[in-house]
Amino acid sequence: AAGVIQSPRHLIKEKRETATLKCYPIPRHDTVYWYQQGPGQDPQFLISFYEKMQSDKGSIPDRFSAQQFSDYHSELNMSSLELGDSALYFCASSLAPSLEQYFGPGTRLTVT
Amino acid sequence: AQSVTQLDSQVPVFEEAPVELRCNYSSSVSVYLFWYVQYPNQGLQLLLKYLSGSTLVKGINGFEAEFNKSQTSFHLRKPSVHISDTAEYFCAVRGGGSNYKLTFGKGTLLTVNP
Repeated sequence: AAGVIQSPRHLIKEKRETATLKCYPIPRHDTVYWYQQGPGQDPQFLISFYEKMQSDKGSIPDRFSAQQFSDYHSELNMSSLELGDSALYFCASSLAPSLEQYFGPGTRLTVT
Repeated sequence: AQSVTQLDSQVPVFEEAPVELRCNYSSSVSVYLFWYVQYPNQGLQLLLKYLSGSTLVKGINGFEAEFNKSQTSFHLRKPSVHISDTAEYFCAVRGGGSNYKLTFGKGTLLTVNP
């Protein structure tokens, strides 16, 4: 069965650079969630989209923005990167109002 | 608002022994509860979920969990663990209505020793 696809899987950036993470949900899923997992930490919710509209917002820095496109894929844009942004970024998708979120493999971002 | 407390950060056990990973939650509304497993350098895989109905939930890989509303707990159990069960386990809660996000506990590292 098709799963959530995230690209790239690994990304290395320098401080103050920008990064774009992409998420392709499971076909027919219309809801996308973004989570950030720092080293040795639990995943923290950043933001979610339902039918291309922002549905919920968590602890997402103002330097980050995200959107969901007409084909339901989502992009997380991160600017003025800081060392503390180094983390594993997960995307999950669901078929609203389904309560089950399916997670992608994550993008590991390293900021040097 | 909801929160999750995983009482043990690390649980070492021997192969074929039973294990229980503890999870307590707090929420002002009805909750939906989940257990996820994360193997090293991998994503999150759903083990099982409680949405409604029977309080004993069975999941993949021989795991099960029991929802206890009076004790606000959702402990994960397996009667006999394998080396391959070594991983980080996260308990998560989601509120009802349009509150879509998952709130995770800090995780429990299960280490199965031979």
